[in-house]
Amino acid sequence: QKEVEQNSGPLSVPEGAIASLNCTYSDRGSQSFFWYRQYSGKSPELIMSIYSNGDKEDGRFTAQLNKASQYVSLLIRDSQPSDSATYLCAVNIYSNSGYALNFGKGTSLLVTP
Amino acid sequence: DGGITQSPKYLFRKEGQNVTLSCEQNLNHDAMYWYRQDPGQGLRLIYYSQIVNDFQKGDIAEGYSVSREKKESFPLTVTSAQKNPTAFYLCASSMGARTEAFFGQGTRLTVV
Repeated sequence: QKEVEQNSGPLSVPEGAIASLNCTYSDRGSQSFFWYRQYSGKSPELIMSIYSNGDKEDGRFTAQLNKASQYVSLLIRDSQPSDSATYLCAVNIYSNSGYALNFGKGTSLLVTP
Repeated sequence: DGGITQSPKYLFRKEGQNVTLSCEQNLNHDAMYWYRQDPGQGLRLIYYSQIVNDFQKGDIAEGYSVSREKKESFPLTVTSAQKNPTAFYLCASSMGARTEAFFGQGTRLTVV
């Protein structure tokens, strides 16, 4: 089975620090990668999308993709208590004659004041 | 307002009953998805549809059924064959098969 793997955490960082979240995937053919944030009891919201190797920055967030290592990461600079949430890595994987978004189990992030 | 609407937000069902969860989008997206989330777990794919009148099973399709008769609608039926249906159900849509997906607010189903 094609998989998306994340450390479940919790990852605890102090306010103002950099939080680093990691994800690996098994399907070498995957071409689309996403990070979602999910607050408890709410639906996921898209933070970043990345399609090519390298870094992509958006405000305090940086997504990094390395297709050779099948690895995607999310850096959150100047972490704030409001960043405390579960972060879900998602990868488009081909199965059953179509592409679908497959999710990791998520990493819980706690930013302490 | 453009977006994805799931209804109802909360749903209670007696054992042995079928129930249908609604998902409507006005984003003109081609692809739509249904996921299930259990406490402390990630999202597991139930069914997805890339175009109207076509859909594929995901990883946990047993006990569920869907239809895609209109581009904007992708209802999910939880049948009595689903052994453990209590969960948070999330519908999503995307422009294409490999682009970012956006979610509705979810339906929390409880079997009583």
